[in-house]
Amino acid sequence: DTGVSQNPRHKITKRGQNVTFRCDPISEHNRLYWYRQTLGQGPEFLTYFQNEAQLEKSRLLSDRFSAERPKGSFSTLEIQRTEQGDSAMYLCASSSRQTVEAFFGQGTRLTVV
Amino acid sequence: GENVEQHPSTLSVQEGDSAVIKCTYSDSASNYFPWYKQELGKGPQLIIDIRSNVGEKKDQRIAVTLNKTAKHFSLHITETQPEDSAVYFCAASLNYGQNFVFGPGTRLSVLP
Repeated sequence: DTGVSQNPRHKITKRGQNVTFRCDPISEHNRLYWYRQTLGQGPEFLTYFQNEAQLEKSRLLSDRFSAERPKGSFSTLEIQRTEQGDSAMYLCASSSRQTVEAFFGQGTRLTVV
Repeated sequence: GENVEQHPSTLSVQEGDSAVIKCTYSDSASNYFPWYKQELGKGPQLIIDIRSNVGEKKDQRIAVTLNKTAKHFSLHITETQPEDSAVYFCAASLNYGQNFVFGPGTRLSVLP
């Protein structure tokens, strides 16, 4: 499978715990995006990487959120001290600068209890 | 920043009929407009896209039109089938994909 891969698919955590999600983009895609989607809404932009550089962050991304993309390959999104409001689907997408089209993974559904 | 509106929020059509979903955007500098289909529990799937230098693009039963002057673009699905039932999202992007702002979505139901 050469699509965008996200792990885990589902995560249930207690409020206050830290969680980390992983995204493996399509091979050779140099752009990587993180989005958050709540039920009945469109995806909301969180952050964007070009290679290993984090070029843009939404103001939705509070200090409790951090994303990395070491070596410009896979990316991780960490949420510290989770709150119930963090419950959502976290989506990762990748694209290449040449072809532009962004392809999404299946998402990680986070439930904070 | 960019703002994308989408109408209608829900749409029901009979199998075989056409469906049209409309979006407007606010930033005249946006230059790339993809459409995504999302089924329950899955990630959005890119179905068609259009760049600002093109007015219309077609792929089998799906077409997208863009009016830059009015800042709106539309998705047209002809000969709808039950498997077309899903939530459809439009999006607008600056710099050909540096960031995507999504509309709120349209839930399409194709009735057999």
